[in-house]
Amino acid sequence: QVQLVQSGAEVKKPGASVKVSCTASGYTFTSYFMHWVRQAPGQGLEWMGIINPSGGDTSYAQKFQGRVTMTRDTSTSTVYMDLSSLRSDDTAVYYCTRDPVAGPYLVDYWGQGTLVTVSS
Amino acid sequence: DVVMTQSPLSLPVTLGQPASISCRSSQSLVYSDENTYLSWFQQRPGQSPRRLVYKVSNRDSGVPDRFSGSGSGTDFTLKISRVEAEDVGFYFCMQGSRWPPTFGQGTRVEIK
Repeated sequence: QVQLVQSGAEVKKPGASVKVSCTASGYTFTSYFMHWVRQAPGQGLEWMGIINPSGGDTSYAQKFQGRVTMTRDTSTSTVYMDLSSLRSDDTAVYYCTRDPVAGPYLVDYWGQGTLVTVSS
Repeated sequence: DVVMTQSPLSLPVTLGQPASISCRSSQSLVYSDENTYLSWFQQRPGQSPRRLVYKVSNRDSGVPDRFSGSGSGTDFTLKISRVEAEDVGFYFCMQGSRWPPTFGQGTRVEIK
């Protein structure tokens, strides 16, 4: 069965960086794009960007341009989301979610989420 | 960006009664292939989101048939024909027809 397993919770200080991983299983890793979406406490969901695990090409939301980097390792079926210059309002649960088409966007399975807390 | 406006934000319901959630988009969600990429997700407490419906009205495998999606253009609805205790949670819509994908604010469904 399809599984997206994310790395564990992180606590970071303002100005630091965080790298969250998402390891896929149960399907062909390079056949599905992967999005990253975050959910701040008491807030709605916010799309951050997408990576094509096959070629590694990416597209980021304007808000995160320059601060986010998405990469992948096909040997381990893992995608990574690196967010730098962290601020307190980056405190959120970060999700990876896969997409069979990408443009249009049709996400189906989601990871379990990774809580990132930014606090001094 | 396309703004997705969900209502209500909170929905107390009686077990066995119907429930309805609205999602309106600021632009038409009809894509160039003439499909409409509007999905509905359920997020139970402490769990990650689960997709219920995709392309407006297609129910995902394993989703009870008491859940149904409808709508067109800019106006969409998720209906639960008879609410059960396991339906408690957070429901949100997502549009995938226009870049970037955007989400409704979410609706919290609780039992009265």
